[in-house]
Amino acid sequence: DQQVKQNSPSLSVQEGRISILNCDYTNSMFDYFLWYKKYPAEGPTFLISISSIKDKNEDGRFTVFLNKSAKHLSLHIVPSQPGDSAVYFCAASPGNTDKLIFGTGTRLQVFP
Amino acid sequence: KAGVTQTPRYLIKTRGQQVTLSCSPISGHRSVSWYQQTPGQGLQFLFEYFSETQRNKGNFPGRFSGRQFSNSRSEMNVSTLELGDSALYLCASRITGHSVAFFGQGTRLTVV
Repeated sequence: DQQVKQNSPSLSVQEGRISILNCDYTNSMFDYFLWYKKYPAEGPTFLISISSIKDKNEDGRFTVFLNKSAKHLSLHIVPSQPGDSAVYFCAASPGNTDKLIFGTGTRLQVFP
Repeated sequence: KAGVTQTPRYLIKTRGQQVTLSCSPISGHRSVSWYQQTPGQGLQFLFEYFSETQRNKGNFPGRFSGRQFSNSRSEMNVSTLELGDSALYLCASRITGHSVAFFGQGTRLTVV
């Protein structure tokens, strides 16, 4: 049972444009959400997080939006840069545990 | 501040053997979690430790075990290795509660 879903396995975006990565979840107990970026054979690197009491959080070029009623979050990267090319994972944490449930990832390719 | 350190980085073992992986968390972080990443399954939660106690366990067989020491360092052990245990094993540490989990570089285990 995949509680966190990233339905797009890959995304290709031109440099300078906006990249939008999507994530859906099914468990209403999730109250903290994170996005990680990962290169092959390395550990995930934290990008940005959001608590369920908010609907938006910004950090530089990265913005995460949370729509609790739709159980949907998205990561916006603007402007996209070639160095953003990586696999992006969303993760969710239930309120009573530190466990993270990960989506299957979206591979982002930013081309010149 | 040093990041999460995992040793060894690479390991090759034979079916039936056992293996121990080590994780040193960021100084001050008391929560340590372990994840398995395989190409088809993404990142799967193994277990989480806090103050030397296992707080959560994922859906893995009993061959997978772990422990945490008083200095917060953690080890995970896999006994009677199977080919399907070949994966990248990732350790993450966090202060506790709903804080960001920081990952190590991982240990790439290959079972032959």
